Amino acid sequence: GAVVSQHPSRVICKSGTSVKIECRSLDFQATTMFWYRQFPKQSLMLMATSNEGSKATYEQGVEKDKFLINHASLTLSTLTVTSAHPEDSSFYICSARFISGNTIYFGEGSWLTVV
Amino acid sequence: GESVGLHLPTLSVQEGDNSIINCAYSNSASDYFIWYKQESGKGPQFIIDIRSNMDKRQGQRVTVLLNKTVKHLSLQIAATQPGDSAVYFCAENNAGNMLTFGGGTRLMVKP
Repeated sequence: GAVVSQHPSRVICKSGTSVKIECRSLDFQATTMFWYRQFPKQSLMLMATSNEGSKATYEQGVEKDKFLINHASLTLSTLTVTSAHPEDSSFYICSARFISGNTIYFGEGSWLTVV
Repeated sequence: GESVGLHLPTLSVQEGDNSIINCAYSNSASDYFIWYKQESGKGPQFIIDIRSNMDKRQGQRVTVLLNKTVKHLSLQIAATQPGDSAVYFCAENNAGNMLTFGGGTRLMVKP
């Protein structure tokens, strides 16, 4: 199946710093990538939809200035958590949709711990 | 398009038995549905999908059933194995081409 890669898989950062998470579609082109956040024992919460070459669409309640999303190419989207706080600690997951079609594949997720 | 955070219901089955995981979806305009499996600490893994013009689709040991009348989706796993233990999510692709997740069900397989 298609492969979506996230990096880093785990990151620990200090409060107030910024962290960038990358999401790459390795063997296909994706015009649309999605960023989710997941708390323990809960379902995935969509944060934003990232479209190549345009601004991301954020879900209600998600601060766009705090969670910066860039989708510079058909194979790469990045999520930057700015001025991170301990409450931003979570599991962040990206997914990518084939350039044609509906199937969506997920990355392995990135654990962020803010200390 | 966001899901609601819920504590996950749990389905406990004996190894070798069949498992049935249910999901109710909300949007009658949704035209595509996907089941994902998520193991602890990992991203969701695609299992099987079904389009709204079908009511059943089979894969290897898995079957998805779609009942559009009552907006219900189920995942059947035959001869459940310990490796099937995970959280299972259904997702619906709605008319806006957004993927919305259900709350998830934790499957525990007892040896």
